[in-house]
Amino acid sequence: GENVEQHPSTLSVQEGDSAVIKCTYSDSASNYFPWYKQELGKRPQLIIDIRSNVGEKKDQRIAVTLNKTAKHFSLHITETQPEDSAVYFCAASSNYKLTFGKGTLLTVNP
Amino acid sequence: EAQVTQNPRYLITVTGKKLTVTCSQNMNHEYMSWYRQDPGLGLRQIYYSMNVEVTDKGDVPEGYKVSRKEKRNFPLILESPSPNQTSLYFCASSLQRGIGALYTFGSGTRLTVV
Repeated sequence: GENVEQHPSTLSVQEGDSAVIKCTYSDSASNYFPWYKQELGKRPQLIIDIRSNVGEKKDQRIAVTLNKTAKHFSLHITETQPEDSAVYFCAASSNYKLTFGKGTLLTVNP
Repeated sequence: EAQVTQNPRYLITVTGKKLTVTCSQNMNHEYMSWYRQDPGLGLRQIYYSMNVEVTDKGDVPEGYKVSRKEKRNFPLILESPSPNQTSLYFCASSLQRGIGALYTFGSGTRLTVV
């Protein structure tokens, strides 16, 4: 089955800096790669996603890139703000099953 | 409002006492799934269902049962809970359509087994 590795497990940045979280996946049949943000005690919320026929997608301060050949994808957050502090999960989807990475705890220091 | 509703939100129970966590969605989604979330392990799939009466094991099915008698409901059953099933549980649903799996998550159920 699919295996998703996510790095780093924790990331601390200063407000205004950029943050990058990287994921790799193993199943070449995976075709959809969402990113979720989970605040403490809350459910995961989709923040951005990318499909396998696209290399990059941007939505305001967040962007995702996908390299299908290397089987890795990354989340980029620019101009970080304290409210960006949360756990971020990447996931890979094959046949509607979502396999999640183990998460990255992002802390944005004021 | 389109949503996935889980109940209860919090549950403390004793080892061996059967319990059911309910999950209901009002979006006519075919696909439903249960995940458990543990620190450092992310979200791991327990069971999923592609449609009514169609269920299958996920990555960590031991100790759990599910049923899908109606499209909207997908209860998670712990016949004999044990302390290692203490976790945060999420139900999710998705409309099967072409590429991708746009999940809607429930609010979660925090289960403690003592």
